[in-house]
Amino acid sequence: KQEVTQIPAALSVPEGENLVLNCSFTDSAIYNLQWFRQDPGKGLTSLLLIQSSQREQTSGRLNASLDKSSGRSTLYIAASQPGDSATYLCAAAVLHMDSNYQLIWGAGTKLIIKP
Amino acid sequence: EAQVTQNPRYLITVTGKKLTVTCSQNMNHEYMSWYRQDPGLGLRQIYYSMNVEVTDKGDVPEGYKVSRKEKRNFPLILESPSPNQTSLYFCASSLPSPDTQYFGPGTRLTVL
Repeated sequence: KQEVTQIPAALSVPEGENLVLNCSFTDSAIYNLQWFRQDPGKGLTSLLLIQSSQREQTSGRLNASLDKSSGRSTLYIAASQPGDSATYLCAAAVLHMDSNYQLIWGAGTKLIIKP
Repeated sequence: EAQVTQNPRYLITVTGKKLTVTCSQNMNHEYMSWYRQDPGLGLRQIYYSMNVEVTDKGDVPEGYKVSRKEKRNFPLILESPSPNQTSLYFCASSLPSPDTQYFGPGTRLTVL
């Protein structure tokens, strides 16, 4: 059964630093890997989606990588800003035999960027 | 504006009183799902629907019902809520393939 883990659960860094958030999954048979951001009192916002055949995706200051063989994905945030403070979640998409799919979620990393 | 809406946003109720949380999307998405989010446990899928009149159980379906009579709506029904269903609930929609998920703002439910 696929399990997704995010370590650390919380991270606090000074503004301006580059940082890496980690996501690991137990089964390499994933369809894609998705990163989301969750702000307090709000829903989740999709940040990046990496297909299983891809190695990385970039959007602005964000870069997500995927290494299926090691069961790892990382989210790199360059030049962090206080507005980046949020909880970041990763989810692995798995396909079932009946073609239905399911997202398996990590518990998230709460990121605080100190001004 | 493309969006997923949920109502109500906040709800406090008592054990056993039936309630419905509505979810609606305006993106013509086939796939819709309900999640609950609890501290330290991440998001867990309750039910999902691949299309109209097609629903399936997720990981934690006990105590919940859903229906998909129209493409845009996917209500979550708690026929007899219990305190262990106190949680933050999210509705999401996407295209049929495991594509980008669009989430509603969440419904914070407290069952006393």
